[in-house]
Amino acid sequence: EVVLTQSPATLSLSPGERATLSCRASQSVSTYVAWYQQKPGQSPRLLIFDASNRATGIPARFSGSGSGTDFTLTISSLEPEDFAVYYCQQRTNWPPITFGQGTRLDIK
Amino acid sequence: QVQLVQSGAEVKMPGASVKISCKASGYTFTSTSIHWVRQAPGQRLEWMAWINTGNGDTRYSQNLQGRLTVTRDKYARIAYMELSNLRSDDGAVYYCARQDFFDIWGQGTVVTVSS
Repeated sequence: EVVLTQSPATLSLSPGERATLSCRASQSVSTYVAWYQQKPGQSPRLLIFDASNRATGIPARFSGSGSGTDFTLTISSLEPEDFAVYYCQQRTNWPPITFGQGTRLDIK
Repeated sequence: QVQLVQSGAEVKMPGASVKISCKASGYTFTSTSIHWVRQAPGQRLEWMAWINTGNGDTRYSQNLQGRLTVTRDKYARIAYMELSNLRSDDGAVYYCARQDFFDIWGQGTVVTVSS
């Protein structure tokens, strides 16, 4: 089973700042990584699939990069609505599909 | 509008079974798979199962195999997830999601397991 480790656990930033979230896989997952945003009481929302492809309707300030074992989600300039929990997910050699433990992005 | 609509909250006794539905609309149901994912309070998302909505093939999490069954009614455009022999740690929000990169999610179904 591929274990995904996200860092940091919590990130405290101000609106307008740049956010960089990391996801590391325990073995290579090629580019089969997706990123999701989840707000309290809501379902997760797909942001990025296959490491770097923005999902439909996702603003350009969200970008993803990486391959193999190291992946990054970058939010170029934080908007108030971006403060949420972010999860990475991998779908190579499944089952199982696995998720990271999440990074909480808090307003500083 | 593409959406997945799940059935409502459930309260079950330990040892009972729960069956949740996920109704699809706005797209060709049999053209994409459905996955089931759950999230216990304060925990990460946990993948549970996959179903090919066209031919009915399934894959399960090893942790849940034996207690979990996913099915679909392709004519009614509904996927189902049934978990049996419920334990207290099965209390969670259960989601269905479309395609292998989960582009559309249901609204979630809260399952409470309590005596």
